[in-house]
Amino acid sequence: RKEVEQDPGPFNVPEGATVAFNCTYSNSASQSFFWYRQDCRKEPKLLMSVYSSGNEDGRFTAQLNRASQYISLLIRDSKLSDSATYLCVGLNYGGSQGNLIFGKGTKLSVKP
Amino acid sequence: NAGVTQTPKFRILKIGQSMTLQCTQDMNHNYMYWYRQDPGMGLKLIYYSVGAGITDKGEVPNGYNVSRSTTEDFPLRLELAAPSQTSVYFCASSSQGGTEAFFGQGTRLTVV
Repeated sequence: RKEVEQDPGPFNVPEGATVAFNCTYSNSASQSFFWYRQDCRKEPKLLMSVYSSGNEDGRFTAQLNRASQYISLLIRDSKLSDSATYLCVGLNYGGSQGNLIFGKGTKLSVKP
Repeated sequence: NAGVTQTPKFRILKIGQSMTLQCTQDMNHNYMYWYRQDPGMGLKLIYYSVGAGITDKGEVPNGYNVSRSTTEDFPLRLELAAPSQTSVYFCASSSQGGTEAFFGQGTRLTVV
């Protein structure tokens, strides 16, 4: 089983729609999670960190469910500019050091 | 703000050739990483470093070497290029393990 798994999509939604992505993780010891955004042929950029209590940043809400080992990202009032691939990322403590484990990403396409 | 700078942006190599992908960061980050991203796949960690003089293998280190003689620079060396190394390579850095990682713009490498 992959450490971080995501539905690859694509999710095709109209402008203004609400869309949710889920991500599951296999390492129950993982402590930190993130959502990154990657535009076509560009580098990944941090969208938001995911805290145990969940967090919200404008139209974006991220939540963590440790009991079920999944992370979610909710995007409200989708904009054309939200079209991108969203990467779920978990922190894996390998040995004495941490490194980030990326999911394959979920592609979102917002249409007019 | 330069951030993380990678060179070259594009390169075509013949099988068996060698090359070095350069990566430098000006944020005084201790942690640096090299990832590869194949089409439709997530980022896979090749090597990482937690400080000058310290490097460690990631998930897919075979065929690559790294060095970290300074805090700023983390070059990735391909000794005998193979078609399986055709990919997009991203260098990243973070102040600590598990915090936000900043990515370079990537190097698109094709081995023919």
